[in-house]
Amino acid sequence: GENVEQHPSTLSVQEGDSAVIKCTYSDSASNYFPWYKQELGKRPQLIIDIRSNVGEKKDQRIAVTLNKTAKHFSLHITETQPEDSAVYFCAATSTGTASKLTFGTGTRLQVTL
Amino acid sequence: KAGVTQTPRYLIKTRGQQVTLSCSPISGHRSVSWYQQTPGQGLQFLFEYFSETQRNKGNFPGRFSGRQFSNSRSEMNVSTLELGDSALYLCASSLLAESNTGELFFGEGSRLTVL
Repeated sequence: GENVEQHPSTLSVQEGDSAVIKCTYSDSASNYFPWYKQELGKRPQLIIDIRSNVGEKKDQRIAVTLNKTAKHFSLHITETQPEDSAVYFCAATSTGTASKLTFGTGTRLQVTL
Repeated sequence: KAGVTQTPRYLIKTRGQQVTLSCSPISGHRSVSWYQQTPGQGLQFLFEYFSETQRNKGNFPGRFSGRQFSNSRSEMNVSTLELGDSALYLCASSLLAESNTGELFFGEGSRLTVL
């Protein structure tokens, strides 16, 4: 089955700096890669996703890049703000009802003033 | 539109007991997935139901089971509880038939403590 590794497990940046979280996946058939954000004590929420037919996707201050050859995808947050502090989870899956969404172990991002 | 509702939010059980958790998906969502969240392990997939049928199952022992009703509400049951079952159990619903490629809407979770 799919295996998703996520690094780093914790990340501390100063407000205004950029943050990058990296994930690798094992199943070359995976073609959907969402990112979820979980604030302390709250439910995970989708912040951005990318499908394998594109290499990059942006939404305001966040962007995700995908390298299918290397089986690697990353989340980039620019101009970080205190409200970006949360745990971020990457995930991967392939289409088809027999597949399941596999999550990474999470990155705790702390944005300091 | 109401979000995903999970009950109970908190519960404490002792080893050997069993527990049933409930999840009401967003109206119109027919896919319900369950995840176990523990510190350092992320979100571990338990199972997924679609139209009352279990469509996928994760790598958990048979003590973990679930079902889905005709109104899409779902329950999961854990029998013979062990200390290691202490976790936050998250339910998520999805609109798409192939839920694994669409947005998951999570509930706030049921936090289970096993003593």
